[in-house]
Amino acid sequence: DQQVKQNSPSLSVQEGRISILNCDYTNSMFDYFLWYKKYPAEGPTFLISISSIKDKNEDGRFTVFLNKSAKHLSLHIVPSQPGDSAVYFCAASGPAGGSEKLVFGKGTKLTVNP
Amino acid sequence: EPEVTQTPSHQVTQMGQEVILRCVPISNHLYFYWYRQILGQKVEFLVSFYNNEISEKSEIFDDQFSVERPDGSNFTLKIRSTKLEDSAMYFCAIIGTSGIRTQYFGPGTRLTVL
Repeated sequence: DQQVKQNSPSLSVQEGRISILNCDYTNSMFDYFLWYKKYPAEGPTFLISISSIKDKNEDGRFTVFLNKSAKHLSLHIVPSQPGDSAVYFCAASGPAGGSEKLVFGKGTKLTVNP
Repeated sequence: EPEVTQTPSHQVTQMGQEVILRCVPISNHLYFYWYRQILGQKVEFLVSFYNNEISEKSEIFDDQFSVERPDGSNFTLKIRSTKLEDSAMYFCAIIGTSGIRTQYFGPGTRLTVL
């Protein structure tokens, strides 16, 4: 049962362009969403999060958009840099007050070409 | 960002042996989690630990697994009798005391069961 889905296993973009990574979820109880960046044999590194009371959160080059009616979120990276090349995981938790366990998608491998 | 360390970085063991994986948060935290990632698969929740007791566990977390916080700082995951399918990266994660729901991950322990 995939409660969090990342349908694109890979994405390739040119340096300086926008990277858009997508994520869909099915569980309407999720109310907190996160994006992590991960390199092989390392732990996930937190990038940005968004609460369900918002539809946008921005931090530097990273912006996350949340569309609750569509149960969809996306991560925009502008401008993309070669150092952004990694696997990006979408994760969700909720409802608030529970164990806050994270449910992860399968990840999207982003390659930024110089 | 809260710091989390994990030891060992790599553990090789024989099937049927017991292993203990350790997580050391650098500062005070309330919530502790263990996740694992089998090679090529997504990150999966194992167990959450709050106020010195398990708050939620997954179907993976059967009687062979246990967690404890023996000295108030270290947080350990014990696998009593390892199986080949326990080979994976194991990640510890924490939520800090700020009230923000973001989980921060350690670098992971690679467990190889032969």
